[in-house]
Amino acid sequence: AQTVTQSQPEMSVQEAETVTLSCTYDTSESDYYLFWYKQPPSRQMILVIRQEAYKQQNATENRFSVNFQKAAKSFSLKISDSQLGDAAMYFCATTGGSGGSNYKLTFGKGTLLTVNP
Amino acid sequence: SAVISQKPSRDICQRGTSLTIQCQVDSQVTMMFWYRQQPGQSLTLIATANQGSEATYESGFVIDKFPISRPNLTFSTLTVSNMSPEDSSIYLCSVVPGLPPDTQYFGPGTRLTVL
Repeated sequence: AQTVTQSQPEMSVQEAETVTLSCTYDTSESDYYLFWYKQPPSRQMILVIRQEAYKQQNATENRFSVNFQKAAKSFSLKISDSQLGDAAMYFCATTGGSGGSNYKLTFGKGTLLTVNP
Repeated sequence: SAVISQKPSRDICQRGTSLTIQCQVDSQVTMMFWYRQQPGQSLTLIATANQGSEATYESGFVIDKFPISRPNLTFSTLTVSNMSPEDSSIYLCSVVPGLPPDTQYFGPGTRLTVL
């Protein structure tokens, strides 16, 4: 079974500053994927970034980047130049690499990010 | 990605009644899932909606309570049956558009309140 732990229930950041959200996971899969989703008050789950476990290079999407430490099973999200629109609940998730049953996402409990103007 | 819509977006229901939630995708997708998000909680997978066959339920969820249909590759429904206040949650459908491996995308969710 897979588990995902987000140890920071809440975080805050000043607009234009940088913030890092932590995530650790445990999985028995040899091939898996890691995701960060954000959920603003509108409740829409929005994909922020995705990382394939077999790739050593950290994924980057504009102001969002990850620090993927496979041996430590750590997958943190860094948000640079934070904007008011980044305020949301952020969920870390993992899934297996292939096959129907391995599409099942396991989510962490989430980190509520507040962006202060 | 795919454009996903859900109906209704929200509803308030009386205990003992049932509600059917629809999930429509603008293109054919490989897989569809239903999740529940209880107030202040993370997402929990209810079931995988299988096209043309019975859904695959996760532990703790049963077909009598959450019947699911998926008649084709773009549409699925989730029914919440014999509702109680404990069923008050956000229900989200998600889809995997392509072949493995592919990212899962979510619909806007249905906020259900049971009185």
